Amino acid sequence: DQQVKQNSPSLSVQEGRISILNCDYTNSMFDYFLWYKKYPAEGPTFLISISSIKDKNEDGRFTVFLNKSAKHLSLHIVPSQPGDSAVYFCAASGGNRDDKIIFGKGTRLHILP
Amino acid sequence: GAGVSQSPRYKVAKRGQDVALRCDPISGHVSLFWYQQALGQGPEFLTYFQNEAQLDKSGLPSDRFFAERPEGSVSTLKIQRTQQEDSAVYLCASSPGQGYNTIYFGEGSWLTVV
Repeated sequence: DQQVKQNSPSLSVQEGRISILNCDYTNSMFDYFLWYKKYPAEGPTFLISISSIKDKNEDGRFTVFLNKSAKHLSLHIVPSQPGDSAVYFCAASGGNRDDKIIFGKGTRLHILP
Repeated sequence: GAGVSQSPRYKVAKRGQDVALRCDPISGHVSLFWYQQALGQGPEFLTYFQNEAQLDKSGLPSDRFFAERPEGSVSTLKIQRTQQEDSAVYLCASSPGQGYNTIYFGEGSWLTVV
C-alpha cells in the first residue's frame, strides 16, 4: 500500500521549458511534504519543502504546489537546465519530529538539449 | 566534513556473511534514520533514533537486521547472515530534530550479496 505515489517513472523536457513533476498521497495525516533530487551514485539531496498550511512555496527556479483537497502536489522547475537531469523523489510525513518520512518511487527527469 | 558520512561506500558480501554499515551524522543532529533503497525504488524506511533511543524499528525487514546508536552520535546497521535480497543501497540520514522534519542523507552504502 503505497502512501506516496509518483505515477510517471520518467519525463523528458526541452532545456529552457518548464518541468512539472507530480505526486499524489493517500494519508490525510501527512502535513509536511518534501522533494529530493538524486544523481547516480549519490544520496538524495533535499530540494524544497512545503507545510500543509501553505499551498505554494518558491525557491529560485523551483516551486512546489500543494492541493490538499486533491491530496496532490507538484514540483515546477523553470527554466529547466541540463543539470536538472536526475531522479526526483516526493516525500511526506506527519510533520512531528518523530514521524518517519515516506518516499515515492521517484521520477527520472531528462532535460533535452 | 559537514555532511552525513557513511562507510563503507561499497561492500560485496558472500551470502551468509555478516556486515556492518557505519553512519556518522551531521554534528549536533538529534535524529538519525536508516533507509533501504532497492534498484528503481524510492528509499524505504528501516529505523529511527532520537539520540541513543531507537524509537521506531518497524521497517526492519527481519530479525537479521539490527541497528544501534549507543552514544547518540555514530550509528551502525548490522545485517547478519546476508541474503541476496539484502542487496541494496543503505542510506543514512540525520536531522536537527526540531520542528518539521527535514532529513539530510549521506551518499549511501552499496551492498551486493553474492
